[in-house]
Amino acid sequence: GNSVTQMEGPVTLSEEAFLTINCTYTATGYPSLFWYVQYPGEGLQLLLKATKADDKGSNKGFEATYRKETTSFHLEKGSVQVSDSAVYFCALSPTLQGGSEKLVFGKGMKLTVNP
Amino acid sequence: DTAVSQTPKYLVTQMGNDKSIKCEQNLGHDTMYWYKQDSKKFLKIMFSYNNKELIINETVPNRFSPKSPDKAHLNLHINSLELGDSAVYFCASSQDGGGNQPQHFGDGTRLSIL
Repeated sequence: GNSVTQMEGPVTLSEEAFLTINCTYTATGYPSLFWYVQYPGEGLQLLLKATKADDKGSNKGFEATYRKETTSFHLEKGSVQVSDSAVYFCALSPTLQGGSEKLVFGKGMKLTVNP
Repeated sequence: DTAVSQTPKYLVTQMGNDKSIKCEQNLGHDTMYWYKQDSKKFLKIMFSYNNKELIINETVPNRFSPKSPDKAHLNLHINSLELGDSAVYFCASSQDGGGNQPQHFGDGTRLSIL
């Protein structure tokens, strides 16, 4: 079946530190991959996505590259800010013909950035 | 303008009661979803509707019944609430349910069962 495994944390970093959140997946076919972010008290927001192998998604200084050979989609940011404190979810959507495709989420990782 | 809005934001009620959560999206999307997020932040899909038609129905107790009066609305009715139903419920929508379409989430409804 389809599944996502990601670092669970919680993780605490100082401002301007480098961030990596590991994410690996198991899927049949060629899934689309996503990172969503959930700020305190809010719903999830799409952070970035990649729909095929070697695609790089980027947004707000975050990047992730779709690596088919290692079935990974690790999230990175070179210098985190206090405002990046949130829960980060890796997710996949299997790309099957027709029908609605559900997102399969990792367990989420809570990040706290201290000034 | 709120894209996906759900009401109420908080819902506190007693075991055995029946309650509803409403969701509306103004994005013109064809597909809507309900997710449940437990206390450990784990998210799991419950239902998906495409143009008012049920597409995904995960293993959810039949006390949970979604209703889609039109493609902009997907409401969730829960009968005979139990302690284990306490969670945050998120509504979401996407353009057409295709695998590479991002989903847009509401801010969640925090359900607490006393």
